[in-house]
Amino acid sequence: EIVLTQSPATLSLSPGERATLSCRASQSVSSYLAWYQQKPGQAPRLLINDASNRATGIPARFSGSGSGTDFTLTISSLEPEDFAVYYCQQRSNWPNTFGQGTKLEIK
Amino acid sequence: QVQLVESGGGVVQPGRSLRLSCAASGFTFSSYGMHWVRQAPGKGLEWVAVIWYDGSNNYYADSVKGRFTISRDNSKNTLYLQMTSLRAEDTAVYYCARWAFDIWGQGTMVTVSS
Repeated sequence: EIVLTQSPATLSLSPGERATLSCRASQSVSSYLAWYQQKPGQAPRLLINDASNRATGIPARFSGSGSGTDFTLTISSLEPEDFAVYYCQQRSNWPNTFGQGTKLEIK
Repeated sequence: QVQLVESGGGVVQPGRSLRLSCAASGFTFSSYGMHWVRQAPGKGLEWVAVIWYDGSNNYYADSVKGRFTISRDNSKNTLYLQMTSLRAEDTAVYYCARWAFDIWGQGTMVTVSS
């Protein structure tokens, strides 16, 4: 099973700042990595597919990069609605696995 | 609109069984593989199982293999998760999601407790 490790566990930033979230895989997942946003009481929302492709309707301030074992989700300028938990997920192998999440909180 | 609606959750004793359903609408259900994903209270996401669009193949997380069975009825646009030998650690919100995880249901809560 591929293990995904996200860092940091918690990120404290202010609106308007840039956020950089990391996800490291225990073995190569090529570009088969996705990012999700989850707010309390809601289902996850797909942000990024295949490491760098924004899902339908996702604002341009969200971008993804990386391949192999190291991936990054960047939010260029934080909006108030961006404060949430973010998960990465690998779709390279079964079982698909998720990272443990990064909580993005308001500083 | 495109929608997934889960049902069937509830409180169940350890060792008992429960079947979850996920009703799909607004898209051609029979063209998409489907997943179950769960989230224990206050915890992260755990992928549970997948089934191919035609039911021809499936995979499971090790934590549920041999106890849970994913199935589908394309004539009813419905996905199922049959859960047996339930344990306290199966307590979670269970979500169904479309193949690319682009569409999710709202989730149904399963609590395993005596």
